[in-house]
Amino acid sequence: AQSVTQLGSHVSVSEGALVLLRCNYSSSVPPYLFWYVQYPNQGLQLLLKYTSAATLVKGINGFEAEFKKSETSFHLTKPSAHMSDAAEYFCAVSDRRGYSTLTFGKGTMLLVSP
Amino acid sequence: DGGITQSPKYLFRKEGQNVTLSCEQNLNHDAMYWYRQDPGQGLRLIYYSQIVNDFQKGDIAEGYSVSREKKESFPLTVTSAQKNPTAFYLCASSIVTGQTGELFFGEGSRLTVL
Repeated sequence: AQSVTQLGSHVSVSEGALVLLRCNYSSSVPPYLFWYVQYPNQGLQLLLKYTSAATLVKGINGFEAEFKKSETSFHLTKPSAHMSDAAEYFCAVSDRRGYSTLTFGKGTMLLVSP
Repeated sequence: DGGITQSPKYLFRKEGQNVTLSCEQNLNHDAMYWYRQDPGQGLRLIYYSQIVNDFQKGDIAEGYSVSREKKESFPLTVTSAQKNPTAFYLCASSIVTGQTGELFFGEGSRLTVL
């Protein structure tokens, strides 16, 4: 069985500060890993994904994440937060089967203050 | 533009009534999914379907039913047997063959039981 743990249900940063959202996973097979973003009352939008190519993955809106197998982590970072980054972020893991039943973390709400 | 359309966006239901949420996709994806989202609980899988006329229960299928008569459509019925139906419902789809596990999401439907 696979699982995802996101540390911190809420993370607060100031505009211009580093954003770090933590994700640890558990999987019995080499995983695919994803970060999604959700704005209020909207669906989820893919930020980036790891599919066993480069371990440092760059996504949209200046976000990136690094896959660290030894730490079973896939933390999301952005060097400088913008007000528009305020949203809920979900980490998810897939076990690479032919169809996808992603397992999601509980989400981290990012709050950005001026 | 290709995408997933969910309707209605907002729905109110009296206790004891069944309600059906619509999900249509024009991405030519094989698989479709329904997730339920509650604050602080992430996304939980209700049902998924890999192919027309076939579907499987997810983690929280009790009180829900689905059908997959067409590749493009995967409606979800919330029955009166669902004890706590007030939630945000998300439909998603994915490619099956050769895919990386990425899900594409609709904009969601918010169901409120009065």
